[in-house]
Amino acid sequence: GAGVSQSPSNKVTEKGKDVELRCDPISGHTALYWYRQSLGQGLEFLIYFQGNSAPDKSGLPSDRFSAERTGGSVSTLTIQRTQQEDSAVYLCASRRGWDTQYFGPGTRLTVL
Amino acid sequence: EDKVVQSPLSLVVHEGDTVTLNCSYEVTNFRSLLWYKQEKKAPTFLFMLTSSGIEKKSGRLSSILDKKELFSILNITATQTGDSAVYLCAPSGGSNYKLTFGKGTLLTVNP
Repeated sequence: GAGVSQSPSNKVTEKGKDVELRCDPISGHTALYWYRQSLGQGLEFLIYFQGNSAPDKSGLPSDRFSAERTGGSVSTLTIQRTQQEDSAVYLCASRRGWDTQYFGPGTRLTVL
Repeated sequence: EDKVVQSPLSLVVHEGDTVTLNCSYEVTNFRSLLWYKQEKKAPTFLFMLTSSGIEKKSGRLSSILDKKELFSILNITATQTGDSAVYLCAPSGGSNYKLTFGKGTLLTVNP
C-alpha cells in the first residue's frame, strides 16, 4: 500500500508570506505527527493528532504555527508570516495502534 | 526534559568493517526505542525495541536495548557503501508515543 505522502516536496517563499504544507498519512493510521528538522539539528516534535483532535501541540514554536486534520486523514500545517528561521525540512509521520511511526518524504521549506 | 545522546556523531569506515552505534536516553514514560536510517529527507524505519536484552536482527543489522542502563546499540556488520547515511535513535514516550530524536550518527562507508 501507499506510504505517507507530503506536498509540496519543496517550497520557496518570501519572508512574511503564509505557507501550507500537506500530509496524507497511511490509510487507517489514526495517529499523525509533524516534526521539523533544521540544518544541523535533530528532528524536533511539533504536534500530534489522534483522529482529528490535537491533544499535544507542545512543540509548536510560536503562534504563527497551526495545524489541522480533517476526516481523520489529511493534515495541513500552516505557517503564517514566515521568518527565515522557519527554513527547515518538515516531516510528517503516521502510526496505527502500538505500531511504528512511518515518515513521509518531507517538505523542504526555504524562506528568503 | 527528555534527552537522547548518540555517539559517535560521525564515523568513517571502509567496506567490510563492522560498526557499533550508541544511543543513551532519558525519556518520561518510556514506551519503545526506534532506530531509523536517513539518507535524504525521509527517515526509514529499521527497528523497534521494547524489551531489554532481546536482539532484533535484519540481515547485517542488529540492535539491542538495555532498559536498566537506558541504552541501545545498533550494529552493522560487513558494511557496504549503501549503508552510508545518518542513523537516528528515537525513544518514544508518554501516552502519545511522541518520538524524541538524537542528533544522529553520520556513517560514511568508503569503498
